[in-house]
Amino acid sequence: GAVVSQHPSRVICKSGTSVKIECRSLDFQATTMFWYRQFPKQSLMLMATSNEGSKATYEQGVEKDKFLINHASLTLSTLTVTSAHPEDSSFYICSASRQGLDTQYFGPGTRLTVL
Amino acid sequence: QQQVKQSPQSLIVQKGGISIINCAYENTAFDYFPWYQQFPGKGPALLIAIRPDVSEKKEGRFTISFNKSAKQFSLHIMDSQPGDSATYFCAASTYNTGKLIFGQGTTLQVKP
Repeated sequence: GAVVSQHPSRVICKSGTSVKIECRSLDFQATTMFWYRQFPKQSLMLMATSNEGSKATYEQGVEKDKFLINHASLTLSTLTVTSAHPEDSSFYICSASRQGLDTQYFGPGTRLTVL
Repeated sequence: QQQVKQSPQSLIVQKGGISIINCAYENTAFDYFPWYQQFPGKGPALLIAIRPDVSEKKEGRFTISFNKSAKQFSLHIMDSQPGDSATYFCAASTYNTGKLIFGQGTTLQVKP
């Protein structure tokens, strides 16, 4: 149990376009979802926390107008990278947790390449 | 104060040996300490986690040792296997935020 999926697994886009990444909890209801970014050979950096039905909370230094997060249901959160630039190229990973529990279950990640 | 410091950055162990990775934290409000394993191009997978009310937790070949007074915790991988070759991350969080703060990661290579 506790499976989290992400779609797409890889995406290549042109500079200036927007990209949407989906994160789904397949077998449990996720009251909280987290979005991370990971650059090559580096650790995971938390970008934002989203709770179902409310606005996401962004970490310091993360532009909320650039990285739009929507958590419309207990099983789906989306991250939209708007007006993407090459420096946004990274590995984006979501995680999900059940209400009142610490454990975060991670998705397989999405490799974004902006040309 | 929010940092979690992890060492070593890389580790090479012979098959059958013990791999030990250490982490240290400053924030005494942290109350949940998981370890994650990540293979290249994949998301992290939870290995084992501990809370501050116990000093050790063992699951199969993986053991967490926790020293609350020293604000340190470590992962021991017994009988290390080539399939254990991956990057390992420690992390810490507080219950009220749930936000995980990750260590820098340790790349483990287990030689046959």
